[in-house]
Amino acid sequence: DAGVTQSPTHLIKTRGQQVTLRCSPKSGHDTVSWYQQALGQGPQFIFQYYEEEERQRGNFPDRFSGHQFPNYSSELNVNALLLGDSALYLCASSYSGEQFFGPGTRLTVL
Amino acid sequence: AQSVTQPDIHITVSEGASLELRCNYSYGATPYLFWYVQSPGQGLQLLLKYFSGDTLVQGIKGFEAEFKRSQSSFNLRKPSVHWSDAAEYFCAVGRPFGGSYIPTFGRGTSLIVHP
Repeated sequence: DAGVTQSPTHLIKTRGQQVTLRCSPKSGHDTVSWYQQALGQGPQFIFQYYEEEERQRGNFPDRFSGHQFPNYSSELNVNALLLGDSALYLCASSYSGEQFFGPGTRLTVL
Repeated sequence: AQSVTQPDIHITVSEGASLELRCNYSYGATPYLFWYVQSPGQGLQLLLKYFSGDTLVQGIKGFEAEFKRSQSSFNLRKPSVHWSDAAEYFCAVGRPFGGSYIPTFGRGTSLIVHP
């Protein structure tokens, strides 16, 4: 079992650009959640996907959007990047219970 | 709204010494409580969780935590720290949702272990 995987590992973008991050859940998991972890902070919940729909969202602007595919993998899209979007983006998968986290994607916005 | 306070940004202990990391939460109902550990370049790993029942919870790697409702606390303890325990530790309170939960994390406590 590969666990939760995320790609890419690192990413550098410039302000105003758009970015897509990807997540493959742990085998058997049908729910994917995304978190933003700024430097020196705890993770903050962005949104959660289940059955290909966003079913819960944290306090993030509409620039942050996502998608879940039939195989339960997920994408996080961020439009019009700001310097403040620089962070570690974590994906977590679950099946009716404990969330398992991936290693994250480190996004740097210049 | 739920929130978590981890009052210690850094904690330094000697290898073999005991450890206690503090966590206070704010939540209107009976909380789901968690402790996670994050090593450099790694995702979060769940150490232990409390949903209900016995207020002393045993976790992995020799960690335990005690839920004290009267103090709104969920402190993490380990009797003897190993150098490999050096990492970032996050306390979280979870809001039940859709058969799972949505955690709110504290800002973390960085554990430094001296040889």
